[in-house]
Amino acid sequence: KAGVTQTPRYLIKTRGQQVTLSCSPISGHRSVSWYQQTPGQGLQFLFEYFSETQRNKGNFPGRFSGRQFSNSRSEMNVSTLELGDSALYLCASSLGGKGEAFFGQGTRLTVV
Amino acid sequence: GENVGLHLPTLSVQEGDNSIINCAYSNSASDYFIWYKQESGKGPQFIIDIRSNMDKRQGQRVTVLLNKTVKHLSLQIAATQPGDSAVYFCAEMGNDYKLSFGAGTTVTVRA
Repeated sequence: KAGVTQTPRYLIKTRGQQVTLSCSPISGHRSVSWYQQTPGQGLQFLFEYFSETQRNKGNFPGRFSGRQFSNSRSEMNVSTLELGDSALYLCASSLGGKGEAFFGQGTRLTVV
Repeated sequence: GENVGLHLPTLSVQEGDNSIINCAYSNSASDYFIWYKQESGKGPQFIIDIRSNMDKRQGQRVTVLLNKTVKHLSLQIAATQPGDSAVYFCAEMGNDYKLSFGAGTTVTVRA
């Protein structure tokens, strides 16, 4: 069974640009969550989608948004990039209840 | 005094010894907990989970203990191996389906 796939693995963007990251969950999983990981703040929750609906959202500005498609694949978008948005962005998939959540390898975003 | 529940950012362990990693969680409403292992350049890897109706769960070479009274979680790794060197995170979840992560403990295994 394929794991969680995130694309791209690495990305370099300029301040002010926008970026879209993609996450393909494990087959059969309907929940996708997104996290930002930085050395200073650790792993912080961005949002969680289940069956195309956002169920929960973390404390990030509105520049961070996401969506989930009918095949459970998810994208997150960051607009008007800032230097502080440089981080490892991770997505995790699960069946949707309180159960094992599996992470992808992440997308390393660098904003210059 | 006791240091039970003390979170240490780093832990150095001799190969073959047992490791104990501690985590204090914050939300009394959390009822599901997961331990993850993260190696350099990789995403967190699921190790073991436990629900709040249990106080102990065992896996292969790992045991998770949950003390709801003091909101403390621990991960025990038996016979620590060099491949166990990584950052370990505990995570808690309540009815909001949001995983909240602890600060992480970097485990280094000495040969």
